[in-house]
Formats: sequence, C-alpha cells, structure tokens
Amino acid sequence: GAGVSQSPRYKVAKRGQDVALRCDPISGHVSLFWYQQALGQGPEFLTYFQNEAQLDKSGLPSDRFFAERPEGSVSTLKIQRTQQEDSAVYLCASSFIETEETQYFGPGTRLLVL
Amino acid sequence: AQSVSQHNHHVILSEAASLELGCNYSYGGTVNLFWYVQYPGQHLQLLLKYFSGDPLVKGIKGFEAEFIKSKFSFNLRKPSVQWSDTAEYFCAVNNPNYGGSQGNLIFGKGTKLSVKP
Repeated sequence: GAGVSQSPRYKVAKRGQDVALRCDPISGHVSLFWYQQALGQGPEFLTYFQNEAQLDKSGLPSDRFFAERPEGSVSTLKIQRTQQEDSAVYLCASSFIETEETQYFGPGTRLLVL
Repeated sequence: AQSVSQHNHHVILSEAASLELGCNYSYGGTVNLFWYVQYPGQHLQLLLKYFSGDPLVKGIKGFEAEFIKSKFSFNLRKPSVQWSDTAEYFCAVNNPNYGGSQGNLIFGKGTKLSVKP
C-alpha cells in the first residue's frame, strides 16, 4: 500500500507568515509522530499522537507550533509567525501501536523561512 | 535524558571495503535500537532494528549490527560496501515503555557514507 505522504514537499515563507504542513499516515496506523530535522542534524521529536489524542507535545519548541489530528488519520503541523530558525525539514512518521512495528517516515516538508 | 552519539560525521570508502559505523547511547534501562538509512533524494527507511533476543541483528542489503549492552553500543557493519550504499545513516533509540509499543525516537546526528566506485 501507499506509504506516508506529506505536503507540500517544499515551502518558502516570509518571516512572520503562518504555515501548515500536512501528513497522511499509512492507513490503519494508530501512532503518528512529527520530527524536525535541521541541516546537518538528526531528526528531533516534536509531538506524538495516538489516534486523535496528542499524548506528548514536549518537543514542540515554542507555543508558535501547534499540531492536530482531529479524526485520527491526517495530521497538520501549524507554525505561526514563522522565524528563520524554523527553517528545517519536518518529518512525519507513523506506526502500528499494537505490535512492535517500525516507524515509517514520509519524505518530509522542507521549510525555508526568509 | 537519552542521547545518541555517532562519532563519524563523514566516512569515505572504496568499493569492497569493510564498514563499521559507531553508535553509542546513554540510557541505562531497556531500549529499542534502530539504524535508519537515507539515500540521496529519498526518505528515511529502516535498515535494521533490535528489540530483544540475539544481539547480532541482520538487516537488509547485507548490513548487520551488534548490540553490546555493557558498552551501550549498537555499531553498524557491512563486510563489503558497494557504491549504492552511499547514503546517510542514522542510529536511533527509544524507550519501549513510553506511550505504547513505540516511543519517540532519539536520533544521532547521522554519518554520511561516500563509497567510491
């Protein structure tokens, strides 16, 4: 079946603009994770959903970052009043929760804030 | 807090050379360990994983990794690399007791592998 998809793949924003990044997980996957990958770094955890419940948002760097998954499938990561330091690749991953399954990653959204 | 260290930032090898990429983690409890690979222009994909059992884990494309608990290490190895192995390799760890069967992954900074034909 289809893998994790993310859109847009690239986003250029002016500083101060709001952006919304979308993630379509693998169908049936209960767990959904967002990660931020800065240039030259490994991905860093942002937030975690189990179905529609956001169980952990400890990795969100500021209150400008907000994520939701209202129906337990598609998720949106929103960044308000973008800053240059928000420039990064935003990765979404999903997995089954009932088994020891791997997290499957999407291609990411590359965000550039000018 | 958990952390993962990958000591090699960039490794350059010739084809047929042997590969070993180091990975150390800092967490005293039970962990799950992973190696992910990112080929140029592609997304992260799983290379291999260790949850329990035999500490020598075999993955795809001839890769293997050995979990040494006493050294907090999970080094990746391949006896003979190919040009197609050129990619970035990430070691990751999570705490299986967090939030269900999978917790959030803690990644190392990655190691770029360049294989010369």
